[in-house]
Amino acid sequence: QKEVEQNSGPLSVPEGAIASLNCTYSDRVSQSFFWYRQYSGKSPELIMSIYSNGDKEDGRFTAQLNKASQYVSLLIRDSQPSDSATYLCAVSQGGSEKLVFGKGTKLTVNP
Amino acid sequence: DAGVIQSPRHEVTEMGQEVTLRCKPISGHDYLFWYRQTMMRGLELLIYFNNNVPIDDSGMPEDRFSAKMPNASFSTLKIQPSEPRDSAVYFCASSSSGGISYNEQFFGPGTRLTVL
Repeated sequence: QKEVEQNSGPLSVPEGAIASLNCTYSDRVSQSFFWYRQYSGKSPELIMSIYSNGDKEDGRFTAQLNKASQYVSLLIRDSQPSDSATYLCAVSQGGSEKLVFGKGTKLTVNP
Repeated sequence: DAGVIQSPRHEVTEMGQEVTLRCKPISGHDYLFWYRQTMMRGLELLIYFNNNVPIDDSGMPEDRFSAKMPNASFSTLKIQPSEPRDSAVYFCASSSSGGISYNEQFFGPGTRLTVL
């Protein structure tokens, strides 16, 4: 079973700070990497996709991928209380459409 | 555009009863996924379909679980008979194999199942 590991947290940051979320994966042939945000009692919401090494920026969010180290991260700049949620890392399994999800990191942004 | 639609949103049933969960994927998406989420095990893939055909059901926990996709716009997940350990949130997700954003899955609101 391919694995995706995340620090369960909770991660607590003050409003306006940078939140850094990390994820490692075991499947060396994974090609697609995603970050989902899940508010309590809600469904996962796709916020970032990344497919090649390096950084990808979208507004306050930056995803970073290092395939050699099998590591993907999400940076949230200027964190807001509305960013408080659980963030799930998802990685494609081999060449299939399957995604393997980490168990998530709970982020709390304190006003 | 409408997202993934699931029904019912909440289901409370007694042990031994049959439960049927329903899903309508995003129009034009050719992949459909059923997941289960619990605190202990996180988000687990149960089964997925491509063009209405089941591709991988290795995550289905046991024979009490079955899933069908009779057409491109409808899928069911059935549990018969249900047990208390089946209590969880069940999500349906869909994705499209076309375009550059492959593997992106979009989730429905989920069905919260409680088996007493």
